Formats: sequence, structure tokens, C-alpha cells
Amino acid sequence: NAGVTQTPKFQVLKTGQSMTLQCAQDMNHNSMYWYRQDPGMGLRLIYYSASEGTTDKGEVPNGYNVSRLNKREFSLRLESAAPSQTSVYFCASSELGTGAHSNQPQHFGDGTRLSIL
Amino acid sequence: SQQGEEDPQALSIQEGENATMNCSYKTSINNLQWYRQNSGRGLVHLILIRSNEREKHSGRLRVTLDTSKKSSSLLITASRAADTASYFCVNALNFGKGTSLLVTP
Repeated sequence: NAGVTQTPKFQVLKTGQSMTLQCAQDMNHNSMYWYRQDPGMGLRLIYYSASEGTTDKGEVPNGYNVSRLNKREFSLRLESAAPSQTSVYFCASSELGTGAHSNQPQHFGDGTRLSIL
Repeated sequence: SQQGEEDPQALSIQEGENATMNCSYKTSINNLQWYRQNSGRGLVHLILIRSNEREKHSGRLRVTLDTSKKSSSLLITASRAADTASYFCVNALNFGKGTSLLVTP
């Protein structure tokens, strides 16, 4: 049982390049989330999807887009990468949530370490 | 920001000692969750305490909640080197900055 799988694990981009971070979960969870983690900042919510077909902005959505491709997959896209987006990105899922007031534990992937030069 | 704040930011203890971490939050809660993050890994859920609960136990973990003070604490008893990690409290998808715990043999 893989849980939450994120690809790639590491990536280096040049300013202005675009890329998509992939996330898939095999736990039949309804809700999925994208966070970024910066030193000394804890985790900050970028976007979330409370259920298939819905997406909502979190605390720091600027510069990002998301797609809930199906129940299993939730991707994060950087259209024009900037050095300020250098971070570790985590995807998470939970069984059934109402988005910002989820009472369910979240299951996390191991992150994508993204550097933008 | 509705982020909680953990205290202390860093804690260093020896194996066998107890470790206590505190969390303060700003808004009313439905529940509060605690997570652990080992270096280079994703977060792992430890325990959830609901707003109508005052204390909860899970193995060597004890969590308390004081809604009147908007605070929670996580106690790890008889710490082991494997407990070395960062610990986060979470209120409605708002993560604190974490407490970095180092347990030395």
C-alpha cells in the first residue's frame, strides 16, 4: 500500500520555466491538499480539493494552478517558476473533509524538493 | 494568519526523559491535530483531540487541550532516539512552525 506518491522527488528549474508536480493516492480518499514548506515557516496551504471536481485556494495560491484529474490524482502546476517558489512541496489526502474544517487526519507524501535558479 | 505557534522552537533531551511541547492557537477549533516529521520525510499523523476533550492518550503520547486558553500540549514520555523529529500542531489546515526535538542516547 503506497499511500500518497509524489513525483518527482527532486527538480531544478530555471526562472520562467513551467512544470507540474504530480500526486496520487491509493486510499480512496475524497480530499487532497498541496502545501509548501519553507525553513522557519511551517507548512502553508496552497490549494485543496475537498472532493473530486472541486478545488479551492489556500493561504498562498499565487503563482500556482491545480487540477483534480480524478479521485486519485491532484496535480500542482507552476506556469512561470520564480526563485521565491523554491521550496519543498507536500501533497496530502484525507478520507472525507469539508476542506478547511476537515476533522480527518491527513496522509502525506514524502515531498518534492524544488529549486528555481 | 490563523497559524498556531509551538513552543519551544527547539528542545534537546536525553533518552528516557519526558518531552513537552506546547501549542497556542488563535481561533476557535473543532479539533486539534499533532503530526511528526522526520528529517527529509512527509508528516505523519500522531493524534487528534476534539474540542470537547481535555486529554487523550496514545501509547507514550499524551495530549491535553485547554480551549479557554487556546492551547494544547504534547507530552512524550520515556523518550527514545527514534523520537528525534519535528512536531507540529494543526488547527483546520493551519500548521504551526513546529518544535524540533532532539533525543540523544
